[in-house]
Amino acid sequence: QIQLVQSETEVRKPGASVKVSCRASGYIFSNHAMSWVRQAPGQGLEWMGWISAYTGNTKYSQRLRGRLSLTTDTSTNTAYMELRDLRSDDTAVYYCAKVDYDEGGSWGQGTLVVVSS
Amino acid sequence: SYELSQPLSVSVALGQTARITCGGPNIGSKNVHWYQQKPGQAPVLVIYADYRRPSEIPDRFSGSNSGGTATLTISRAQAGDEADYYCQVWDDSTDLVFGTGTKVTVL
Repeated sequence: QIQLVQSETEVRKPGASVKVSCRASGYIFSNHAMSWVRQAPGQGLEWMGWISAYTGNTKYSQRLRGRLSLTTDTSTNTAYMELRDLRSDDTAVYYCAKVDYDEGGSWGQGTLVVVSS
Repeated sequence: SYELSQPLSVSVALGQTARITCGGPNIGSKNVHWYQQKPGQAPVLVIYADYRRPSEIPDRFSGSNSGGTATLTISRAQAGDEADYYCQVWDDSTDLVFGTGTKVTVL
């Protein structure tokens, strides 16, 4: 079965960067895109962007464009999300998700990122 | 940008039927997926491609997409169905779009 295992909780100061990993198993990693979604405390789901593991092509939400970088390492079946210039309102749980157009999504367990001075 | 609207909350008596709607422009032309999210947990897919159900999801969960609205139906509601539910589509510019989320309370 599909499994997405994410890295642990991160705490950063405002202005810093964070990089979260997501290791995939149970499917052919390079055949699919990986999406990233975040959820601020008490809020809904916000799509951040996706990356094609095959081509490396990316699509970022307009809101995060310029601060967000998505990458993959097909040798380890791992996807990465890096967010720069962190602000307090970036405090959220960050999820990786394999969301196919016609099959819906499988999700990682989530990574809490806390931004606080 | 494409937006999906859901009711903020839905209440259902134990053993009765809950219906959660999801509206958006021309939603009938899109594949709608539904996720259940319990507190402190990641979302879990309960319906995909409008009405298809993953094998591990009980048949009390069903979906439809017609008449300009997608609907998730929970039949014979149980206490364990209390959760937030989100609809999701891909819009025409390949952005992933989530609904605003609906909190289901089982009375």
